[in-house]
Parts: sequence; C-alpha cells; structure tokens
Amino acid sequence: AQSVTQLGSHVSVSEGALVLLRCNYSSSVPPYLFWYVQYPNQGLQLLLKYTSAATLVKGINGFEAEFKKSETSFHLTKPSAHMSDAAEYFCAVSGGGGSRLTFGEGTQLTVNP
Amino acid sequence: NAGVTQTPKFQVLKTGQSMTLQCAQDMNHNSMYWYRQDPGMGLRLIYYSASEGTTDKGEVPNGYNVSRLNKREFSLRLESAAPSQTSVYFCASSKALWDRAVTQYFGPGTRLLVL
Repeated sequence: AQSVTQLGSHVSVSEGALVLLRCNYSSSVPPYLFWYVQYPNQGLQLLLKYTSAATLVKGINGFEAEFKKSETSFHLTKPSAHMSDAAEYFCAVSGGGGSRLTFGEGTQLTVNP
Repeated sequence: NAGVTQTPKFQVLKTGQSMTLQCAQDMNHNSMYWYRQDPGMGLRLIYYSASEGTTDKGEVPNGYNVSRLNKREFSLRLESAAPSQTSVYFCASSKALWDRAVTQYFGPGTRLLVL
C-alpha cells in the first residue's frame, strides 16, 4: 500500500521568493514519485517525476525535487517564484499497483506581487 | 494531436438522474483512468482500464460504472446521481498500466453538480 501526505494545504510566497512545497510518502515497495500542477479550470500536467535514477530531479518551469529515502520525502522547490506559478500542486506515488497513482491532498500556491 | 478530451465540460443533474461522461485519447495509449477531485482530498481513482476489454475498480467505485468502448474511448456512467457525486471528474491515459514510471496524461475535466 502507498500514501502521500502534503504538508500545508495553502502556501503563500512573494514574487521572487523561494518556493518549497512538502511531500512525504509511504510505500511498501520502492516508490516512483510524481509532481503534477493544475492551473485554474484545467487538467493536471506533469512537472517532474522520480523513477529511481538521479535523486535530484529537474522539471519544467524551473522546478526541481529531491528524493530522500531516509526522510521519505520528495519536496518540490523553485528558487524564485513567478506570478505564473500560482496553481495547485499535487504529489503522487505509484507503488505496487503498476502506474495507478495515489495522490496527496494538494497544495494551493499563491504568489503575491 | 488533442491528447485527452472529455465531454461535457459542465453538467447539472437532479438527484436520481443518470448520465455518461465521455473520454477519448488520441495518443494510442493502452491504459485509461477515471478520477474524482474533491476539495482537500486530492484525486481519487474511481475505475481504470489496463487495456481494451478490461476494467477494474479503484478506490471509490460505488455508484459508478465504466465501459472501455475501444482503445480510444473510456466512459463513466452514473446510473442514479446523488449529491455526494458532485465533483470534478478527470479522465487520464498512459502507455501501459504495468509500467510504474509511465506518465499519466489528464483531460480538462468535467464539473458535475448534483442537486
């Protein structure tokens, strides 16, 4: 079985500030981890994924995430927030069920000018 | 290349009415999925189809049925809608269910309101 917990349902940052969105996972098998972004009134699109190669994963739009097995974490970061980053972000894990995903609750990111 | 398309975009139903949500993908993917999204709960898997001709229950299948019409199309049916089924429904597809590393591609969603 697998699960994902996203700490903080709402995160607010200033434009240009560091973005840090937290994700912790639980999995009975070595996990594959994903971050998806959902812009208002749209579907989800993939930001990045960890599939057991490099532990530091770079994605689109300047985002990256680091897989830390000892901490069971896969936090998403971006050095400098842009107004266009305002969206909802979902962490997800695929475990023993093939590519079926278990999603976290989501984190709404607000970027203030 | 439209990716994953869903119809309708928005629907209002009365309790007890039925409806079918349609989903189609043009990426030649084998596997397709239906999720519902509710505030504070992320996305939850309703049903999935590993390949044409097969369907399986996900985390929250009660009150729903699905049909994998062909490789492209995967529909979700609500036989007797209830207010608890008010949600945003997303269809997704991927190359293969067995590959844990594969990316799922999502449609734009259907907003359903059951009164």
